Amino acid sequence: DVKVTQSSRYLVKRTGEKVFLECVQDMDHENMFWYRQDPGLGLRLIYFSYDVKMKEKGDIPEGYSVSREKKERFSLILESASTNQTSMYLCASKQGATDTQYFGPGTRLTVL
Amino acid sequence: GENVEQHPSTLSVQEGDSAVIKCTYSDSASNYFPWYKQELGKRPQLIIDIRSNVGEKKDQRIAVTLNKTAKHFSLHITETQPEDSAVYFCAASKGPGTYKYIFGTGTRLKVLA
Repeated sequence: DVKVTQSSRYLVKRTGEKVFLECVQDMDHENMFWYRQDPGLGLRLIYFSYDVKMKEKGDIPEGYSVSREKKERFSLILESASTNQTSMYLCASKQGATDTQYFGPGTRLTVL
Repeated sequence: GENVEQHPSTLSVQEGDSAVIKCTYSDSASNYFPWYKQELGKRPQLIIDIRSNVGEKKDQRIAVTLNKTAKHFSLHITETQPEDSAVYFCAASKGPGTYKYIFGTGTRLKVLA
């Protein structure tokens, strides 16, 4: 059974803080993703990584960066958090040659 | 650009009735169409998917149909139960080896007991 975990379920930060969201998967998946989920907007792709140290911008990368130093771990970084980054953040992973993405439980981030 | 439109945004049905959610995609190269269910406070979970070489797929009370010509696909839930209440998302991608899913905006389904 695929397991994708995220470091926090709930996080509250102040404007201007640097924020790290971590995602870990235990199935040796090559591909990992970070999405943002907002009401009425569905899931929007922020960044994805197709291999260690490899990353590509998604649809809404502004204000975010990512790091993938190890295959199982994909971090999302908010360099200077802003109130419009208050959202639910979902991580996902998949095997490279397959279709199905597996999601983590999400981190609800509030920026005050 | 690529997009997936999903309707309706909310849907209320009586327990035992059927529910239908529809999605339309723009990129004709899309060939993989998953449906995810997200219960309140939980992660999205894949419930059914279909590839473009198939017109319909069923799994117990859930079915998905695909019309490639019209570029739309639908989720059908029969004999709905209260535990079917959730947000459902459709998505489209160009298949294995591609990374990008385009998600619909979600449908909140309420099954009234």
